[in-house]
Amino acid sequence: KAGVTQTPRYLIKTRGQQVTLSCSPISGHRSVSWYQQTPGQGLQFLFEYFSETQRNKGNFPGRFSGRQFSNSRSEMNVSTLELGDSALYLCASSLSAGGADTQYFGPGTRLTVL
Amino acid sequence: QKEVEQNSGPLSVPEGAIASLNCTYSDRGSQSFFWYRQYSGKSPELIMFIYSNGDKEDGRFTAQLNKASQYVSLLIRDSQPSDSATYLCAVNPGNQFYFGTGTSLTVIP
Repeated sequence: KAGVTQTPRYLIKTRGQQVTLSCSPISGHRSVSWYQQTPGQGLQFLFEYFSETQRNKGNFPGRFSGRQFSNSRSEMNVSTLELGDSALYLCASSLSAGGADTQYFGPGTRLTVL
Repeated sequence: QKEVEQNSGPLSVPEGAIASLNCTYSDRGSQSFFWYRQYSGKSPELIMFIYSNGDKEDGRFTAQLNKASQYVSLLIRDSQPSDSATYLCAVNPGNQFYFGTGTSLTVIP
């Protein structure tokens, strides 16, 4: 069974631009969670989607948004990029919502904001 | 207070020794506990999970959970240089995962 895939793997943007990241979960998994990982803060929860609905949201500004499609693929959008948004963005998929099942991570998208 | 606390290390052990990684959590209602390993430049990969008090063994890895003390640990027996990585503790109180910042482990040949 294929694992979690994320595209693109690397992105370089400038301040003020927006970016869209994509995540395809493991086949059969309906929950997708997004995380931001930085050296100082570790893994910070952004939001979780399950069956096309946002179930939970972390403490991030409204510039960070997401959505999930009927095939469980999810996208994350960051608008008006800031230097501090430079990070590794990880998505994780699981069978059910709320972390009731183990999460499996994708390879991540490395975003650099100049 | 952070939900999950880990000693950032670095922790260095000689090859063949036992590495002990510790994690404390704040939410007494936490139900499930996970250990992930993350190599530099890679994404976290699941090592093991534990739900009940006590020990759970999987090969060279043993997870230990003490809910009364809000403490979970990971022991790595016969440590190998390939075990050198950052180890993330994750706790789920029922609605989402909370991750510690990780402990960096170096196994010295």
